[in-house]
Amino acid sequence: GEDVEQSLFLSVREGDSSVINCTYTDSSSTYLYWYKQEPGAGLQLLTYIFSNMDMKQDQRLTVLLNKKDKHLSLRIADTQTGDSAIYFCAETTDRDDKIIFGKGTRLHILP
Amino acid sequence: EPEVTQTPSHQVTQMGQEVILRCVPISNHLYFYWYRQILGQKVEFLVSFYNNEISEKSEIFDDQFSVERPDGSNFTLKIRSTKLEDSAMYFCASSARTRAKNEAFFGQGTRLTVV
Repeated sequence: GEDVEQSLFLSVREGDSSVINCTYTDSSSTYLYWYKQEPGAGLQLLTYIFSNMDMKQDQRLTVLLNKKDKHLSLRIADTQTGDSAIYFCAETTDRDDKIIFGKGTRLHILP
Repeated sequence: EPEVTQTPSHQVTQMGQEVILRCVPISNHLYFYWYRQILGQKVEFLVSFYNNEISEKSEIFDDQFSVERPDGSNFTLKIRSTKLEDSAMYFCASSARTRAKNEAFFGQGTRLTVV
């Protein structure tokens, strides 16, 4: 079946790196995504990685994919107060259109 | 930057009433979706729409739900007779879904409150 799991909370000090982890079960995943949701706002696509890649870097964001272990992570370097949000891991597969979301990790920034 | 827009941002309705949630997808996109997020829970897929028909729907999307693309720009979700458990944030998304990229853009959402 399709399932995406992630821890619910993460607290990080401002200026440190944040690492948000995610595991998924479906081996036919094609794309894996990280979405950001700020309070009261919609879902903003932060970055995505194709399943045949191991790593993708985009400014302060680094995505690592371990396809063997079905593990995805998002690293945010130099975490700022504006990074405070819920981060959703998500996947699509080669079977259909729908995006399967995790429950989201709430990132809290400590001063 | 092009974006998906949804109206209204917040809708309050009485149980049993019909509601229509509206979305304007990104203009050159061909694939359209509705998702919902009950407070504190996962974002759940409802339906996908392509070439003027439903391409996939979840078990949540029962006979009370329908979607329509009434003209070249709008994409609507209708709930015929709302129930308390339909209270949620409803997100519209659209995608170009080319072979090289599968990137869905989401709207800001409509918060539906059924009382």
